Amino acid sequence: QKEVEQNSGPLSVPEGAIASLNCTYSDRGSQSFFWYRQYSGKSPELIMFIYSNGDKEDGRFTAQLNKASQYVSLLIRDSQPSDSATYLCAVKDDKIIFGKGTRLHILP
Amino acid sequence: GAGVSQSPRYKVAKRGQDVALRCDPISGHVSLFWYQQALGQGPEFLTYFQNEAQLDKSGLPSDRFFAERPEGSVSTLKIQRTQQEDSAVYLCASSRQGSYEQYFGPGTRLTVT
Repeated sequence: QKEVEQNSGPLSVPEGAIASLNCTYSDRGSQSFFWYRQYSGKSPELIMFIYSNGDKEDGRFTAQLNKASQYVSLLIRDSQPSDSATYLCAVKDDKIIFGKGTRLHILP
Repeated sequence: GAGVSQSPRYKVAKRGQDVALRCDPISGHVSLFWYQQALGQGPEFLTYFQNEAQLDKSGLPSDRFFAERPEGSVSTLKIQRTQQEDSAVYLCASSRQGSYEQYFGPGTRLTVT
C-alpha cells in the first residue's frame, strides 16, 4: 500500500513566523509532488509543485524535496492569518495519492 | 476563465436511492479525475479519464459506483443503491494533457440518510 504521511496537527505558528509543513512518502519511484491548501468547507487549491531534488520558491512559499529521504516539505514565510488552512501533500505514482493533511493555525 | 464546476453542490439521498453527480471540467483539459473525501481525510482517488477513455477505475469502492465521460468533456459519477458509508464530498479535478497539476471543482457533498 503506497502511503503519504503527514502530521495532522494542528500546527500553531505566530503571525510573521515561518511555518514548516512536512510529508513523507513510501514509494521511492514517485516523481511528482504537490502541495494543496484547503480551507474549511472548500476544495483543495494547488499552491506548489516540485519535481526535482532541492528547493523551489514561489513568493512566500518554498517547497523542498529530498528523494533519497523520501521527504517533501513546504515552508511558508511571514505567515499570515489567511494562511490558516489544511495543507495536503500529494504524490504522483501511477495515480495521485494525498496525505490526510496538516491543519495550520496562524496565531494573530 | 471558468473553473471546474460541479452539480449539485449538496445532495441528500435516502439509503438505497441512486444518485448522479456531474462535473464540467475546465475547457480544453483532457484529463478528469474523481475523488472521494471523507471528513478529516485527504481526497481518495476514485477514477481517471483521458478524453472519453476511462484509464483507471481502480479506486471505485464497489460495483455500485460508475463513472462516464461519453464526449470527453462533462463527466457523471453515478452511485447506485446508496449506503450511509457513501456519505462524503465528491471532488472532481481536471488537468491539461501531460500535466498532473490538477484544478478542483467545489465538490458535491452527499449525505445518505
